[in-house]
Amino acid sequence: QVQLQQSGPGLVRPSQTLSLTCAISGDTVSSNKSAWNWIRQSPSRGLEWLGRTYYRSKWNEDYAVSVKSRITINPDISKNQFSLQLNSVTPEDTAVYYCTRNLGLWGQGTLVTVSS
Amino acid sequence: EIVLTQSPGTLSLSPGERATLSCRASQSVSSNNLAWYQQKPGQAPRLLMYVASNRATGIPDRFSGSGSGTDFTLTISRLEPEDFAVYYCQQYGSSPYTFGQGTKLEIK
Repeated sequence: QVQLQQSGPGLVRPSQTLSLTCAISGDTVSSNKSAWNWIRQSPSRGLEWLGRTYYRSKWNEDYAVSVKSRITINPDISKNQFSLQLNSVTPEDTAVYYCTRNLGLWGQGTLVTVSS
Repeated sequence: EIVLTQSPGTLSLSPGERATLSCRASQSVSSNNLAWYQQKPGQAPRLLMYVASNRATGIPDRFSGSGSGTDFTLTISRLEPEDFAVYYCQQYGSSPYTFGQGTKLEIK
């Protein structure tokens, strides 16, 4: 049974970097059948797909236009996990962040608040 | 990017009734790569349908999806009490993937 376990701080200061990790069990981050996504949800922005990483003979990433200049999603093969880094955060980045595999498997969600 | 518009914003129905939810895309969704999700308070979204009309594992057959191109529909044939929730569509045919704003299905 595939599971995703998220970890990371729930409070980030404005202008700092938001960092979250998603640990994978029951699958491998380098699977050529899976894509690993980060999605967030807030009352003001609804559900927002942020980006993904996936391996198809080589590593690929693509990102939402709204965060493209500030986001990095990286796989970590040695730990079988992937991460989200979002730079220069503002209170607008306050949301519940989810990691997902493809469409159907979601992590438990992490509420991240951006506040001083 | 593709903008998805869901209607209605809120749908008030009674158990046993039929629910029809709409999702309209600003441009054609590649390969009809359109998914539907159900979300209840405090939970992550749950995948219901993919490629517009394919039920995900474990989804009851009272849920059905249809449509192609820019117009898609989720139908719940006979509402059960556990079906009252918020429903989202998502297109994953072209990056960036995008979600609709949701339809809240509430008990009348």
